Amino acid sequence: DTAVSQTPKYLVTQMGNDKSIKCEQNLGHDTMYWYKQDSKKFLKIMFSYNNKELIINETVPNRFSPKSPDKAHLNLHINSLELGDSAVYFCASSPFLDREVTDYGYTFGSGTRLTVV
Amino acid sequence: QQPVQSPQAVILREGEDAVINCSSSKALYSVHWYRQKHGEAPVFLMILLKGGEQKGHEKISASFNEKKQQSSLYLTASQLSYSGTYFCGTEGVGAGSYQLTFGKGTKLSVIP
Repeated sequence: DTAVSQTPKYLVTQMGNDKSIKCEQNLGHDTMYWYKQDSKKFLKIMFSYNNKELIINETVPNRFSPKSPDKAHLNLHINSLELGDSAVYFCASSPFLDREVTDYGYTFGSGTRLTVV
Repeated sequence: QQPVQSPQAVILREGEDAVINCSSSKALYSVHWYRQKHGEAPVFLMILLKGGEQKGHEKISASFNEKKQQSSLYLTASQLSYSGTYFCGTEGVGAGSYQLTFGKGTKLSVIP
């Protein structure tokens, strides 16, 4: 029943490691996103992706890379983790491209709390 | 560019009203409003697409002044369940972004 699901919910890892966070949506939405929420609750866009285009926020380090095996999945891979990467990462989806849909609010996953030690 | 929300925080007693404002320095195509409770994901409340548009459900409504590049969220007769952080998200005019930029949030606390 879950609309947007993320795994894992918690991730504790050491500096320098590589990790992935998985995201799947069963809403049939055409666009998916990754957001980072820091300790001050600021929600910052990292990536948006639809079946045609990947848009990367220019401030995102290239250690972060989204991977989309199909329309329903957008995974986040992080190389060489740093202390500053500790945050909650939210995946979201939206029927953004379907402009016949006027209520194209985002549906967020429950978040992955990443702690780098 | 990040929209500016005000106030940063507000404390209400049950039954009181509040207004949260969101303003942008650039032309807007749409404004979204979300509520996030502690430890949970943001939840979509509503979207405003046209200047002058007003929307609402239950006792929560919003307006969009396209000319002023502003939106306001109105919470009337607040309930304990309204507590949380409210975010506005804005989509700029122009093709290709498909992204919302969120404000820093307004923390609303409703007390008995």
